[in-house]
Amino acid sequence: GAGVSQSPSNKVTEKGKDVELRCDPISGHTALYWYRQRLGQGLEFLIYFQGNSAPDKSGLPSDRFSAERTGESVSTLTIQRTQQEDSAVYLCASSLWENYEQYFGPGTRLTVT
Amino acid sequence: DAKTTQPPSMDCAEGRAANLPCNHSTISGNEYVYWYRQIHSQGPQYIIHGLKNNETNEMASLIITEDRKSSTLILPHATLRDTAVYYCIVISNTGKLIFGQGTTLQVKP
Repeated sequence: GAGVSQSPSNKVTEKGKDVELRCDPISGHTALYWYRQRLGQGLEFLIYFQGNSAPDKSGLPSDRFSAERTGESVSTLTIQRTQQEDSAVYLCASSLWENYEQYFGPGTRLTVT
Repeated sequence: DAKTTQPPSMDCAEGRAANLPCNHSTISGNEYVYWYRQIHSQGPQYIIHGLKNNETNEMASLIITEDRKSSTLILPHATLRDTAVYYCIVISNTGKLIFGQGTTLQVKP
């Protein structure tokens, strides 16, 4: 079946602009995660949604970052007033339930100029 | 969440078994050990996970010590396509993955 998809695959934006990144999880997966990976670095957890529970936002680096999820479907990660330090690959993952294996999308490569 | 310690890099000859160690001495009773790998420029890929018993699937085997303070991921017959960064992660009940630096496995012909 279809895996996790993300769009756009690449995004180049100017410093100070807002960007929206989209994630379509695997159908039926109740948990959805966002991670960030800077060049040559490991993955950093950003935010986690599980069903109708309040999201775990403990990994968001600043209040410029926010994310929403509609029910158990698509999620958007929004970065306001982008900075060059936000340049990274943003990865989305979904799992059937929390504590189950996570399936990752291909990521969105964000470049802030 | 428990932290993990892995060697930064390892080499393995093609066709031989690759044994990747991981220390997680502060693991608690309800935390699982998960292994993922990331091949260059791709998203991480799930490999295997376990709680306290050894596990095996079509990709690998996971050996967890009796005290659960360490584990070993075994790729029985490594191929060049297994060259990747391998992450050992201990997960609490939230499921969020805390990635360390992982082990870069280089499979050589």
